[in-house]
Amino acid sequence: EAQVTQNPRYLITVTGKKLTVTCSQNMNHEYMSWYRQDPGLGLRQIYYSMNVEVTDKGDVPEGYKVSRKEKRNFPLILESPSPNQTSLYFCASLKQGSYEQYFGPGTRLTVT
Amino acid sequence: QKEVEQNSGPLSVPEGAIASLNCTYSDRVSQSFFWYRQYSGKSPELIMSIYSNGDKEDGRFTAQLNKASQYVSLLIRDSQPSDSATYLCAVPRGGFQGGSEKLVFGKGTKLTVNP
Repeated sequence: EAQVTQNPRYLITVTGKKLTVTCSQNMNHEYMSWYRQDPGLGLRQIYYSMNVEVTDKGDVPEGYKVSRKEKRNFPLILESPSPNQTSLYFCASLKQGSYEQYFGPGTRLTVT
Repeated sequence: QKEVEQNSGPLSVPEGAIASLNCTYSDRVSQSFFWYRQYSGKSPELIMSIYSNGDKEDGRFTAQLNKASQYVSLLIRDSQPSDSATYLCAVPRGGFQGGSEKLVFGKGTKLTVNP
């Protein structure tokens, strides 16, 4: 089954404790993205990747890191999480030349 | 002006009615426009795309684009309770060259269809 998976789905952590949210897709898509979704602010892009080892900032990259060492994986790293990073995070993938982004199920992160 | 603006809603319509969702965008040279549907607690899914002025129909859904007015809308005919969701308008950032890997989303309009 073609899909984008994210782990964990739910995470409660404390300020400053480094964490990684994993994202994997099995569709051989070139593009992958991370979004965060907040009430009243909508869905905003954090980072995106055009292919292995090629990444670029989205609208709200501060406080986040990404890497793309393999085509299928695009982890999101929060080196020192803060409460303002409490949000719902979505990973998405897109085939080059196409227009439909496929979203993962989401990760709800709470930073206390 | 924000890049993509939508009526914040919420919008409530009776079953069987036409639901009309609106979106305006600021980049005059944008070429492609998308509507995503997001059920509560779920991830967004693409339901419509439109590139040319005019209407595009897909089943009960019609997307309408007016580039001169920088306006795109989504009409849902014969609305069903299963259409109750948040609808997100999205436009690629980067104008004429913008690809779908850099989407800018509106804040969404929550639609409730009452039986």
